[in-house]
Amino acid sequence: DTAVSQTPKYLVTQMGNDKSIKCEQNLGHDTMYWYKQDSKKFLKIMFSYNNKELIINETVPNRFSPKSPDKAHLNLHINSLELGDSAVYFCASSSPEDLRFGPGTRLTVT
Amino acid sequence: KNEVEQSPQNLTAQEGEFITINCSYSVGISALHWLQQHPGGGIVSLFMLSSGKKKHGRLIATINIQEKHSSLHITASHPRDSAVYICAVRRGGADGLTFGKGTHLIIQP
Repeated sequence: DTAVSQTPKYLVTQMGNDKSIKCEQNLGHDTMYWYKQDSKKFLKIMFSYNNKELIINETVPNRFSPKSPDKAHLNLHINSLELGDSAVYFCASSSPEDLRFGPGTRLTVT
Repeated sequence: KNEVEQSPQNLTAQEGEFITINCSYSVGISALHWLQQHPGGGIVSLFMLSSGKKKHGRLIATINIQEKHSSLHITASHPRDSAVYICAVRRGGADGLTFGKGTHLIIQP
C-alpha cells in the first residue's frame, strides 16, 4: 500500500513542451513538498505546501507551478521545458513525526 | 558555503566495521533528518532528531543543538548498508529541508 506515489516514473520530452507530474499521499500528512535532485545527486527544495500556504524557493523559475486540488495531492506543472530541467523530481509529505518520499520521476528534456 | 556540511564525502569500509558520518549546520533548526538513498534511487528517512539520541537496530543518530552537529553511526556494518546517507535540516514549520551533499558509503564483504 504505497504511502507517497508519483506518476509518471519516467518522462522524456522535448524542449518547449509543457508537462505535469502527479503526486498523491495516503498518510493524512498536512504538508507536501517537491524536491529536485540534479545530475550531481544534490537535493534542493522547490515548494512546500501546507493548509493552502505555499512556500516557494526563490530560485525556482516561475515556469514551475505546484497545484494542490486537495490535501492528499500536490501536482507539479512545468511550462516551456528547458534542457536544464532534466533531473529527478521527488514528491514528499510530512507530519510532525514522519517524513516520506515518493519514488521519484526522472525527467529528461531533449 | 553550504548551510549543511557532511563528512566524509566518500567512505569505503570492511564488513563489520563501526561507521561514523558527521553533519554540521550553520542555521537554527527545528529538526534534523538522516536520509538513506540506495542506488535504485528511493529515499528513506532513517531518523528525525530535535535533541539527544535515537537508535534503530544497528543505526544510532545523535545531535548536539548547541554545537550544531549531528552524527550517524552504523554498528557491525554490512554490505546492504552501502548507500548514500544524507543529512538534512528543517528550519521550522512547513519549511522544506536543506540538504547536505551526502556521504557515499560502500561496505565491502
